[in-house]
Amino acid sequence: EDQVTQSPEALRLQEGESSSLNCSYTVSGLRGLFWYRQDPGKGPEFLFTLYSAGEEKEKERLKATLTKKESFLHITAPKPEDSATYLCAVQAGSNYKLTFGKGTLLTVNP
Amino acid sequence: NAGVTQTPKFQVLKTGQSMTLQCAQDMNHEYMSWYRQDPGMGLRLIHYSVGAGITDQGEVPNGYNVSRSTTEDFPLRLLSAAPSQTSVYFCASSLSGVRQPQHFGDGTRLSIL
Repeated sequence: EDQVTQSPEALRLQEGESSSLNCSYTVSGLRGLFWYRQDPGKGPEFLFTLYSAGEEKEKERLKATLTKKESFLHITAPKPEDSATYLCAVQAGSNYKLTFGKGTLLTVNP
Repeated sequence: NAGVTQTPKFQVLKTGQSMTLQCAQDMNHEYMSWYRQDPGMGLRLIHYSVGAGITDQGEVPNGYNVSRSTTEDFPLRLLSAAPSQTSVYFCASSLSGVRQPQHFGDGTRLSIL
């Protein structure tokens, strides 16, 4: 069974204080790893897809990386508007479904 | 830029009542799916569809029905609501469902009394 574990569960940062969120996964035959951002009362908003180990993608202050066992979402010089829950999901094998982690709640204080 | 539209946004039901949650997308996506999100748990797949006329079960399908008569619409039916179905329901769509990001609606918040 596919498993996704995100850590930490919650993270508080000061504005400008860079950090990383972790997503560890156990799957058979990774097809893709997806990062989403979710704001309160909203649906998940797609950020990145990573397909193979060594791949990296960037968008503004966010950078996602992938190894064979985990993915990191690096946040450089975060701003208060980066505060949200960040979700990681994997798709594997012949499944269509996404298996989601429980998310990391990021709070960036001004 | 409508994307994925879900209605209603909020609903309160009594145990035993039935209702339909609506989902529509305007991106001509073949793949559509329904998830539920509960506190302390990740999003879990209820049902999905890879195209009009084709549906299949996800990991938590009991108590729910779906049909897909058009590419645009994918309604979720609660047959006889139970308190355990109190949750936030999200509809998502993607181009093919495989190796493609899924785009989510803003959810329906459902309470069963």
